[in-house]
This record gives sequence, C-alpha cells and structure tokens, in this order.
Amino acid sequence: EAQVTQNPRYLITVTGKKLTVTCSQNMNHEYMSWYRQDPGLGLRQIYYSMNVEVTDKGDVPEGYKVSRKEKRNFPLILESPSPNQTSLYFCASSFYREHANEQFFGPGTRLTVL
Amino acid sequence: SQKIEQNSEALNIQEGKTATLTCNYTNYSPAYLQWYRQDPGRGPVFLLLIRENEKEKRKERLKVTFDTTLKQSLFHITASQPADSATYLCAIQPGRRALTFGSGTRLQVQP
Repeated sequence: EAQVTQNPRYLITVTGKKLTVTCSQNMNHEYMSWYRQDPGLGLRQIYYSMNVEVTDKGDVPEGYKVSRKEKRNFPLILESPSPNQTSLYFCASSFYREHANEQFFGPGTRLTVL
Repeated sequence: SQKIEQNSEALNIQEGKTATLTCNYTNYSPAYLQWYRQDPGRGPVFLLLIRENEKEKRKERLKVTFDTTLKQSLFHITASQPADSATYLCAIQPGRRALTFGSGTRLQVQP
C-alpha cells in the first residue's frame, strides 16, 4: 500500500531533550516536506527537500533540523525542544516534475513539550 | 507580504445545496493551485490541482475555478452531503518554490 508513515504518533517530552520524528514513504517520491499545524495558523512548512541531499527552509525552520540521506526517509530533528514547539506535525511527499504534485500526507505526530 | 486567505468562519449549508469556498491570495503569482480536504486529527487529502492557464477543473461533484486576475480560486461542492463536512485547504506554489497552504475553511453540511 502506498503510504507515508510517521513515528511516533504521539510524544510527550520535556524541554531540552533531543528528539527525532521519523518519516518514510514507499512511493519513490522526490519531494518531501514537514509541516506543523496549530489552531488558527493552519499548516506551516518547516523544511522541504526536492531530492536526496537537497533540503531548504520553509516558513518556520527555527529550532528544527532535517536530513535527506535516502530518498524514502526525511527525519525531523528537534535538538532542544521548547514548549512553543508543541504542535501537530505532518510529513508529506510527492513527485516533483516542474512543480510539486499531489501531496501525500502522513497520519501526523502530536508532540507536547513540557 | 504574501498572503493566502480563506474564510476562517465555518460555512454551514443544508444537504443537497452547493457549497462554495473561497481562496484569495496576494503578492503571489502561482503557477498551480491545489485543494485538499482535512478531517479532524488526520492529514490533508489531495482533491484537485488547477494550473494558471486553466479556468476551471471538475472531478465528480467538485469544481474549482482559478482567476489569476482576481487572484482567487473558488471551490464548489454540488449536491453536498453530510459526509462532505470537513476543513478544506487551498495551497499555492509560486514557480519552483515550496507549496504554501491557507488556514482552511470548515464546512458543515446539515442533514
């Protein structure tokens, strides 16, 4: 089944404790991205990647890191989480020709930073 | 600054009517515009993509228009059903830049 998977789905952590949220897709997509969604603010892009070893900042990259060492995986790293990073996070992927095509979203990761 | 605006107030309509949702943008020249559906606690699901040189696109009961002069897209659901109740997001991509989403409009279809 074609899908985007994220782990963990739920996470409660404390300020300053490094964490990684994994994202994997099995559709051979070039384009992958991370979003956070907060009430009233909608989906905001954190980072995106147009292919292996190519990443770029989205609208809200501060406090996050990503890497794209393999085509299928795009982990999101929070080196020192803070309470303002409490949010619902989505990973998405798509083919990328001259434009980003239909985005496939993962099920989301609900993160709480105490 | 660049903005994508969708009506933040929920749209309530009766079953069987046509729902029309609006997406306005400023300071963008998008080559493509997409619409997604999102149910509570779940990831968005792609519905339609329309290109700047297309005025209208249809898929079953869905219709999207794209007016680059008005900088607006309209999303229509005809013969609406309670199962259409969800939040609908528009997303634009200016050239080769990243996809940017609006904050969405919640649609409630009353039986």
